[in-house]
Amino acid sequence: AQSVTQPDIHITVSEGASLELRCNYSYGATPYLFWYVQSPGQGLQLLLKYFSGDTLVQGIKGFEAEFKRSQSSFNLRKPSVHWSDAAEYFCAVGSYSGGGADGLTFGKGTHLIIQP
Amino acid sequence: DVKVTQSSRYLVKRTGEKVFLECVQDMDHENMFWYRQDPGLGLRLIYFSYDVKMKEKGDIPEGYSVSREKKERFSLILESASTNQTSMYLCASRDSTSNGYTFGSGTRLTVV
Repeated sequence: AQSVTQPDIHITVSEGASLELRCNYSYGATPYLFWYVQSPGQGLQLLLKYFSGDTLVQGIKGFEAEFKRSQSSFNLRKPSVHWSDAAEYFCAVGSYSGGGADGLTFGKGTHLIIQP
Repeated sequence: DVKVTQSSRYLVKRTGEKVFLECVQDMDHENMFWYRQDPGLGLRLIYFSYDVKMKEKGDIPEGYSVSREKKERFSLILESASTNQTSMYLCASRDSTSNGYTFGSGTRLTVV
């Protein structure tokens, strides 16, 4: 069965500093990988997704992620964080069967705190 | 843009009540999903549907059922609500062409 691990429950970063959120996945085939962000009281917003091709994926709000098959990782990065980036971040892997999409399996999330 | 609408933002129900959570999408997507979100546990899949009249159990289906009579509507049913079903419930639909998932804003259910 597929799984996603986000090792860091909380991360604190100073405004303007760089950010990396870690994500490791387990999936038997080529993974479809996603990063979502959830601000307090809001729904999930897609930051970026990886299906195939270039392993460095660009997303919205200045985020990027790099797929590394050898490490089963899909880490999210941003060169300079803003106070508005404070939120919960979720990594997810999509699973599929003969019937179609079986949904996304999510990690437990990383809570990002921005220090002034 | 795809819109996934959950009919209620907040609900308070009593233990033992039958509860219906409604979700509607406006883009003719075949795949729809129900998740619950709890602090420290992330999102967990309850049920999903490949198409009309179809339903599949997710990772935590116990205590829930679903209904998909029309393509645009996917309902989650709590047959007899219990306090451990107090949670945030999120509905999603998937575009099979782009493999993009769109989530609703969620329904925060409190069972007292």
